Amino acid sequence: DTAVSQTPKYLVTQMGNDKSIKCEQNLGHDTMYWYKQDSKKFLKIMFSYNNKELIINETVPNRFSPKSPDKAHLNLHINSLELGDSAVYFCASSLRGQGGPGANVLTFGAGSRLTVL
Amino acid sequence: SQQGEEDPQALSIQEGENATMNCSYKTSINNLQWYRQNSGRGLVHLILIRSNEREKHSGRLRVTLDTSKKSSSLLITASRAADTASYFCATDEGHDMRFGAGTRLTVKP
Repeated sequence: DTAVSQTPKYLVTQMGNDKSIKCEQNLGHDTMYWYKQDSKKFLKIMFSYNNKELIINETVPNRFSPKSPDKAHLNLHINSLELGDSAVYFCASSLRGQGGPGANVLTFGAGSRLTVL
Repeated sequence: SQQGEEDPQALSIQEGENATMNCSYKTSINNLQWYRQNSGRGLVHLILIRSNEREKHSGRLRVTLDTSKKSSSLLITASRAADTASYFCATDEGHDMRFGAGTRLTVKP
């Protein structure tokens, strides 16, 4: 059983298109995240949702819109794709306190590699 | 903004040697964690050290934390070729987990 699953794994598209990446977790976690990993492997947080509510929204273009229909799902929709959006996008989830009192241990999906041409 | 910064960016050693990676951060933390990423895969949690702890062990892993210097180190003893991966430190600041760019470790057989 895959704990955090993302689809699609690979996505190649043209500039200007709109695309979505889906994420689902079956761990019963209450917080989900989207991270972007660039070509230099730097991992940057984009969004964090706790119980379907947005709690972190880093400085990302408003072309990126997360949607959390329920606690187990956090989708990422990207409008008007640009070359600079090419990256690997990771979904992750956590349950506060699972790693010990107050601790937050993340479980990551396998990543979705987005290539914008 | 980036929080953890790993050093060195890349490390190449022979099998059997020890590997040490360092991490520096800027703000107060609840705990600090180390994750591993194999090529083309997601990150996997390795070990967590709380802000009131100084050292922690898990198998061949040893983590230290110096909150006065805002730094941590990860030591992998008796490395194996299978340890080849990128290693990231992450700082837990509440609802926010911040990662750096990682250290790329190559263990040659």
